[in-house]
Amino acid sequence: KAGVTQTPRYLIKTRGQQVTLSCSPISGHRSVSWYQQTPGQGLQFLFEYFSETQRNKGNFPGRFSGRQFSNSRSEMNVSTLELGDSALYLCASTLAGQETQYFGPGTRLLVL
Amino acid sequence: GENVEQHPSTLSVQEGDSAVIKCTYSDSASNYFPWYKQELGKRPQLIIDIRSNVGEKKDQRIAVTLNKTAKHFSLHITETQPEDSAVYFCAASSPGGGNKLTFGTGTQLKVEL
Repeated sequence: KAGVTQTPRYLIKTRGQQVTLSCSPISGHRSVSWYQQTPGQGLQFLFEYFSETQRNKGNFPGRFSGRQFSNSRSEMNVSTLELGDSALYLCASTLAGQETQYFGPGTRLLVL
Repeated sequence: GENVEQHPSTLSVQEGDSAVIKCTYSDSASNYFPWYKQELGKRPQLIIDIRSNVGEKKDQRIAVTLNKTAKHFSLHITETQPEDSAVYFCAASSPGGGNKLTFGTGTQLKVEL
C-alpha cells in the first residue's frame, strides 16, 4: 500500500497570510492526526479527525483548524500566520481500532 | 494532561555498545507507548511499541521495558550500528479514546565507529 502523503512538501508564506496543508492517509485508514514539530517544542499534537469528525484537540489557538473529507483525506489550515508557526507539520494515519500511527513526510512551512 | 519526559537528550556510544533511553509519563491511565526513530530530514518511523498489559517486548536488537508502577519505560538497543544514529522519540497515548500521542523531547543518538 502507498504510505501517507502530504502536499505541499515545502511552503514559504509571510506573516498574516493563511495556509492550507493536505494529508492523504494510507488506504483504509480513517483516522488522521496532525502534529507540529519544532526544534524548541518538539512534536506537539494539533488535532485528530476520524470519519470526518474532530475527535481530539491539542492546545493550539483557534487559528489552527482542520477538516476531513469523506475519502479520509484531511486538511489543516492556519490563518493569520505568525513567525512562530514556522515548523514541520506532520500528519499520521491510523487504522480504525488500532493504535499505530504512520507518519507522512511532512510539510515544512517557513513564515517570513 | 499527559506529560512525557525523556532522557538523555544526546547519547554517544561506540559501535557494538548498547544504548538506553528512558522516559517517564505522568498519566497513570496511559496505556500505549510507541518509540519512533527519525533520521535527518525524514519522517518519524515506528520501531517498537508496548501496551500497558505487557512488561517487556523485544524485536531483534531493540527492546522496550515498561514499569507501570513507576510510570517509566525504556528503549534498549544492543549491538549498535552506525545506521542506528538518529533522533529517537518516546510517546504515550492519552486516554479518552482516539489517537493522541504526547511525545518526549527526543534523544539524539550517535553511534561512533
